[in-house]
Amino acid sequence: NAGVMQNPRHLVRRRGQEARLRCSPMKGHSHVYWYRQLPEEGLKFMVYLQKENIIDESGMPKERFSAEFPKEGPSILRIQQVVRGDSAAYFCASSSLANYGYTFGSGTRLTVV
Amino acid sequence: DQQVKQNSPSLSVQEGRISILNCDYTNSMFDYFLWYKKYPAEGPTFLISISSIKDKNEDGRFTVFLNKSAKHLSLHIVPSQPGDSAVYFCAASEEGAQKLVFGQGTRLTINP
Repeated sequence: NAGVMQNPRHLVRRRGQEARLRCSPMKGHSHVYWYRQLPEEGLKFMVYLQKENIIDESGMPKERFSAEFPKEGPSILRIQQVVRGDSAAYFCASSSLANYGYTFGSGTRLTVV
Repeated sequence: DQQVKQNSPSLSVQEGRISILNCDYTNSMFDYFLWYKKYPAEGPTFLISISSIKDKNEDGRFTVFLNKSAKHLSLHIVPSQPGDSAVYFCAASEEGAQKLVFGQGTRLTINP
């Protein structure tokens, strides 16, 4: 049973491009959470989704960022028109129930040049 | 506004001795606390948690203590082993909320 799979592991984008980060939850998990870690900081909550629904997006920047978790396929975190300040590690986690027993993926490291 | 604070960026401990990692919080609505361990280039791994109705929880070499009046929790690792070298994050959540609020992390190094 594979863990939470995130891809790509590393992503380099030029300023103004779009970044698309994918997260496949563990088998049987229908709850997905996205966190961002800036250098030398802790993880910051971004968004919590269940299949086809955004439950809590209180940590998402109001512009340029969006997330989805379709009925089929992985969850996607999309960042439009990236800026240097978007450079960070983005972690996805999943759980089978709405609880804190998340399993985290290995993260996607986004570098904006 | 840093609601969860880990004031020690790093800690170095001799193998076999006790490691004590500390965490302070400001939000009195937090009622569930967790510790995660993170190796470089990997995601955080859940270690141990504690509910606000308890003041201690133990799991093998790991014990978490919660002092609600001081809004302080600590993680004790004994005996410390080289494989414990990692960054440790404290996290907290309010009742009913799914999101976790993380501290900045403490880098623990266990010396042989």
